[in-house]
Amino acid sequence: NAGVTQTPKFQVLKTGQSMTLQCAQDMNHNSMYWYRQDPGMGLRLIYYSASEGTTDKGEVPNGYNVSRLNKREFSLRLESAAPSQTSVYFCASSLQGYTEAFFGQGTRLTVV
Amino acid sequence: AQSVAQPEDQVNVAEGNPLTVKCTYSVSGNPYLFWYVQYPNRGLQFLLKYITGDNLVKGSYGFEAEFNKSQTSFHLKKPSALVSDSALYFCAVRDMYDYKLSFGAGTTVTVRA
Repeated sequence: NAGVTQTPKFQVLKTGQSMTLQCAQDMNHNSMYWYRQDPGMGLRLIYYSASEGTTDKGEVPNGYNVSRLNKREFSLRLESAAPSQTSVYFCASSLQGYTEAFFGQGTRLTVV
Repeated sequence: AQSVAQPEDQVNVAEGNPLTVKCTYSVSGNPYLFWYVQYPNRGLQFLLKYITGDNLVKGSYGFEAEFNKSQTSFHLKKPSALVSDSALYFCAVRDMYDYKLSFGAGTTVTVRA
């Protein structure tokens, strides 16, 4: 019962470095999401993919890019990391628009 | 644009007392509403949802929520709180015509023994 798997769990980057956060789900879900969680700000949507082959911007897309590689995988890329991107990142997936989303365990990213 | 407001950053209750966590929302069309709970250093866990039908929704761990369309609210309730209910609670909304899922800022619940 893997559910939603995120890698890595922890990462420290230097300002200007790039990296890709990986997310995979094994529930045959159609929609996938990337959020960041910051204290006092809840979860803010970065990008989402309603279905395979589509991606859309969320509330805070600047500085990020995504790829919906196939139905299972949805990656988040930071091209040039900034300290403001220090956060906990969560990937989620849902089967349909009216069904609940399932979350991964998160990636704690620190940019120094 | 859709949005969710959780007006209380913190809620403190004594064990055995009723627990209420407030949520109001704004969407263009009809809402799909969700409550999630997060324990320290964990991902979010689904508690319950309102899609359509009965305004009172029952979920996991004895939680329930009432959908009020006129007040655009979806408050989470538990008749008798437990210390183990201490956690961070999030309300979320999706417009039925959109796939975007938006969350509130969260409410920290502390239940004292």
